[in-house]
Amino acid sequence: DVKVTQSSRYLVKRTGEKVFLECVQDMDHENMFWYRQDPGLGLRLIYFSYDVKMKEKGDIPEGYSVSREKKERFSLILESASTNQTSMYLCASSDRGYGYTFGSGTRLTVV
Amino acid sequence: KNQVEQSPQSLIILEGKNCTLQCNYTVSPFSNLRWYKQDTGRGPVSLTIMTFSENTKSNGRYTATLDADTKQSSLHITASQLSDSASYICVVSPTLSNFGNEKLTFGTGTRLTIIP
Repeated sequence: DVKVTQSSRYLVKRTGEKVFLECVQDMDHENMFWYRQDPGLGLRLIYFSYDVKMKEKGDIPEGYSVSREKKERFSLILESASTNQTSMYLCASSDRGYGYTFGSGTRLTVV
Repeated sequence: KNQVEQSPQSLIILEGKNCTLQCNYTVSPFSNLRWYKQDTGRGPVSLTIMTFSENTKSNGRYTATLDADTKQSSLHITASQLSDSASYICVVSPTLSNFGNEKLTFGTGTRLTIIP
């Protein structure tokens, strides 16, 4: 089974801090994604990457950046965390078929 | 605008009873529809994936149906168990792009609670 691992289940950060969320997948998938999930809004795509060093903006990229230096790792960066970025963050990876697997999520609270 | 709407928003049923969750979509073009189960505080886990040519697919006590003409899907849960308490999310995918990355459209989910 594909495993997508997010480094932290829970994270509490202060406003203005730089925050790194890490995601690693073990199935050599080309595509990786970062979503945030808020009550009543469903999952919204922040950024995705279809190859090493390649990235594309999703629907809500403002306030975020990403890094993909290795195929298995996709990092989400909050340059200066704000309280409106308090959310559940989900990483996912997919192959070129129908496989699409999510990580367990990181609950980020910005205070 | 591509949209996926799920109903009901929440549902409470007694353990052992059956239930059906609904998903209507306006995504075009259409490649496949997925149902995910998401336990509280965890990531979504895939239950079923159906392409436009499939009408029904089962995974244990979960049975999904798809009517591509009316753009409707349902997830039927048989003999519910306490562990079925979760959010169920309907996700629709357009035709795969050349790069293989899929821009999925997510519903907001149905929150199912099973009570003993």
